[in-house]
Amino acid sequence: GQQVQQSPASLVLQEGENAELQCNFSTSLNSMQWFYQRPEGSLVSLFYNPSGTKQSGRLTSTTVIKERRSSLHISSSQITDSGTYLCAMEPPSGSWQLIFGSGTQLTVMP
Amino acid sequence: ETAVFQTPNYHVTQVGNEVSFNCKQTLGHDTMYWYKQDSKKLLKIMFSYNNKQLIVNETVPRRFSPQSSDKAHLNLRIKSVEPEDSAVYLCASVGQGYEQYFGPGTRLTVL
Repeated sequence: GQQVQQSPASLVLQEGENAELQCNFSTSLNSMQWFYQRPEGSLVSLFYNPSGTKQSGRLTSTTVIKERRSSLHISSSQITDSGTYLCAMEPPSGSWQLIFGSGTQLTVMP
Repeated sequence: ETAVFQTPNYHVTQVGNEVSFNCKQTLGHDTMYWYKQDSKKLLKIMFSYNNKQLIVNETVPRRFSPQSSDKAHLNLRIKSVEPEDSAVYLCASVGQGYEQYFGPGTRLTVL
């Protein structure tokens, strides 16, 4: 089965609404990252989040490594937030590989 | 600010042709990766290079080969492309803190 499970698969919001994206891991992990994929395909690293809570502007990531889960909260969503959000885990093997989830497709409507 | 550069952005070719994609990073990192992103958006690692040494080679077809002249460059060559090679290919650079920095990607279409 998939080691990294993201939910929801897709989400449609009205501008200004908040979003909560979830990521669950079926195996132990060293760390995880959140990425934003622009509609044209390029990836932007949002958070490297071994554990705890990190905030960057309207984005907040909370990771509980022991419980194998992470969430990404987007407050006051904007149209430009539309795109795919990917989470990825680093397995304990220490080889710096990342295993990606299938992503959450976010659409923010005006 | 872009620090991982990929060329070309797009490439359309026919089955059986050879293609080559370039990647350069200006971050001074020692490790670079090539990922393939399939139609389901899943990213799968293809190659990992640490200072010109191949340290991970996933079970990719032999027609794929990484090429590196120095730790700042990692190119990907595909000999005799096949239809299932159509995808977005992403290059990434990895620093000491495991954070990965991605290039803009190269979209390959095989007709």
